[in-house]
Amino acid sequence: DIVMTQTPLSSPVTLGQPASISCRSSQSLVHSDGNTYLSWLQQRPGQPPRLLIYKVSNRLTGVPDRFSGSGAGTDFTLKISRVAAEDVGIYYCTQGTKFPWTFGQGTKVEIK
Amino acid sequence: EVQLLESGGGLVQPGGPLRLSCAASGFTFSSQAMTWVRQAPGKGLEWVSTISNGGGGTYYAGSVKGRFTISRDNSKNTLYLQMNSLRAEDTAVYYCAVSAYWGQGTLVTVSS
Repeated sequence: DIVMTQTPLSSPVTLGQPASISCRSSQSLVHSDGNTYLSWLQQRPGQPPRLLIYKVSNRLTGVPDRFSGSGAGTDFTLKISRVAAEDVGIYYCTQGTKFPWTFGQGTKVEIK
Repeated sequence: EVQLLESGGGLVQPGGPLRLSCAASGFTFSSQAMTWVRQAPGKGLEWVSTISNGGGGTYYAGSVKGRFTISRDNSKNTLYLQMNSLRAEDTAVYYCAVSAYWGQGTLVTVSS
């Protein structure tokens, strides 16, 4: 199974400041079709997960542009350019390149 | 608007069965693969199973293989998860998901 490792697991951030979450996979996430199926999800307290970014860097319609994804191969990053109060929650990376699909442990973003 | 409504959760004794349903609307159900993901209380996300759009392809996490069966009825726009031989560690909120969308989840509690 592909292991997804996120760092940090907790990220206290000042409002308006940037935040960055790293996600590393135990093997390349490049699919045989040439796509890289790495996504980022946000889970606000008490809510179901919500997809933010798919295929590394594609922001879902309606997701604020302060969220951006980057990376390739086995190393990926989610950046929040200026953290807002509504960004508090847990962020997960997930790979859909190979079954079984796997998730990172989650990174808790909270306001200092 | 895409809507996914899970049902069928509840309290079940260890070793017992339970069937979850996910009623879908707002998209062409028969064209999309569907997925179940679960989240144990206070824990991260765990992929459970995926079924292809026509139902011919099914995939399972090792932790549920042989005990859970995913299926779909494209005439009813409904996804199912038949869970047998339930264990305490299957206690979780079960979400159905399609592409970018997640349902609100249904809680399954396995306890005597």
